[in-house]
Amino acid sequence: DGGITQSPKYLFRKEGQNVTLSCEQNLNHDAMYWYRQDPGQGLRLIYYSQIVNDFQKGDIAEGYSVSREKKESFPLTVTSAQKNPTAFYLCASSISSGSHEQYFGPGTRLTVT
Amino acid sequence: GENVEQHPSTLSVQEGDSAVIKCTYSDSASNYFPWYKQELGKGPQLIIDIRSNVGEKKDQRIAVTLNKTAKHFSLHITETQPEDSAVYFCAASINEKLTFGTGTRLTIIP
Repeated sequence: DGGITQSPKYLFRKEGQNVTLSCEQNLNHDAMYWYRQDPGQGLRLIYYSQIVNDFQKGDIAEGYSVSREKKESFPLTVTSAQKNPTAFYLCASSISSGSHEQYFGPGTRLTVT
Repeated sequence: GENVEQHPSTLSVQEGDSAVIKCTYSDSASNYFPWYKQELGKGPQLIIDIRSNVGEKKDQRIAVTLNKTAKHFSLHITETQPEDSAVYFCAASINEKLTFGTGTRLTIIP
């Protein structure tokens, strides 16, 4: 059963704590992406990676960090520097950096209080 | 950077009727335009896409049209069914980066 998995589905943290969201894909896709979705808004790009050990900032990278040590994994850390971390976080992948079709995981809803 | 505007934000349609959602984009260099369907609490699902060298594409009850001159593209859903109720997002791509519209909540009235 191929696809993109994100865990956990719901995550709760206290303000001031860093938290890491998991994203794994077994589609053998080269490129992976992290988006943030807020109520009534479209998706905004946080970070993306076109190849292992390389990643680029998206439109709203401040307060976030990523790593891409393995092709199938692209974890996102929401740091305490992120001013409004409560949101729905979506991970996506595409077959290569030259391909446009992006496929999304089920998302993680993060609540910080 | 690219800016994508999507209208309407909400749309209610009688079951069996057609629904149309429209998007405009700002950067003429954008060359790929996907549409996603998102159900409550789930990730977006790619339902149809179109590239800049094509004016129209159809897949069963769903079609997308693109007007490069006017920089707008539209999603058409015919013979709507209750399972079409969801939030729909358009997007425009330049250099493999997608910029999304703000979404349309489509409700199909039985």
